Amino acid sequence: RKEVEQDPGPFNVPEGATVAFNCTYSNSASQSFFWYRQDCRKEPKLLMSVYSSGNEDGRFTAQLNRASQYISLLIRDSKLSDSATYLCVVNLSNVTDKLIFGTGTRLQVFP
Amino acid sequence: DTEVTQTPKHLVMGMTNKKSLKCEQHMGHRAMYWYKQKAKKPPELMFVYSYEKLSINESVPSRFSPECPNSSLLNLHLHALQPEDSALYLCASSSWDGRGLDIQYFGAGTRLSVL
Repeated sequence: RKEVEQDPGPFNVPEGATVAFNCTYSNSASQSFFWYRQDCRKEPKLLMSVYSSGNEDGRFTAQLNRASQYISLLIRDSKLSDSATYLCVVNLSNVTDKLIFGTGTRLQVFP
Repeated sequence: DTEVTQTPKHLVMGMTNKKSLKCEQHMGHRAMYWYKQKAKKPPELMFVYSYEKLSINESVPSRFSPECPNSSLLNLHLHALQPEDSALYLCASSSWDGRGLDIQYFGAGTRLSVL
């Protein structure tokens, strides 16, 4: 089983749609969780940290479910500029400098 | 500002060449990282320096040699690479945010082609 699993997509959605991505992780002791966004041939950029209580940043909402070991990202009112690959990232508690990346979920927003 | 600067942006080298990738950050971050990323794959960790000391080497072949001259600079020395080493090489640095999370910020990367 992979340490961090994501549906690779692609998710093709129209502008204005709401889209949700899920990610599961295998190590129950994992402590830190993030969503990064990566555009084609660019570097990953931090989109959101994911806190236990859930957090929202504008159109983006992240949730953490420790019991089921999954993280979600909800994007409301999708824009063309949201088209990118979304990487689910987990920090293992016993090696604090090492991030484990999911394979990414590709989102394509069309007009 | 969370800027990590990498040079060069592109590099083409032969299998007998020696070259170096450079990474710089002036944010006072305590840790710096090298990652390798192949097309359509997530980044793979290669090395971590924490407070200028090598803390993680992910069993990387010796043809890749990291160096951390000071807390702001990180180099990756390349020698006798293979064509399969062609990839995007990403540098990152990290610091603790206000809520106790260690956040990594990436540079734009060096796109390396080995001929």
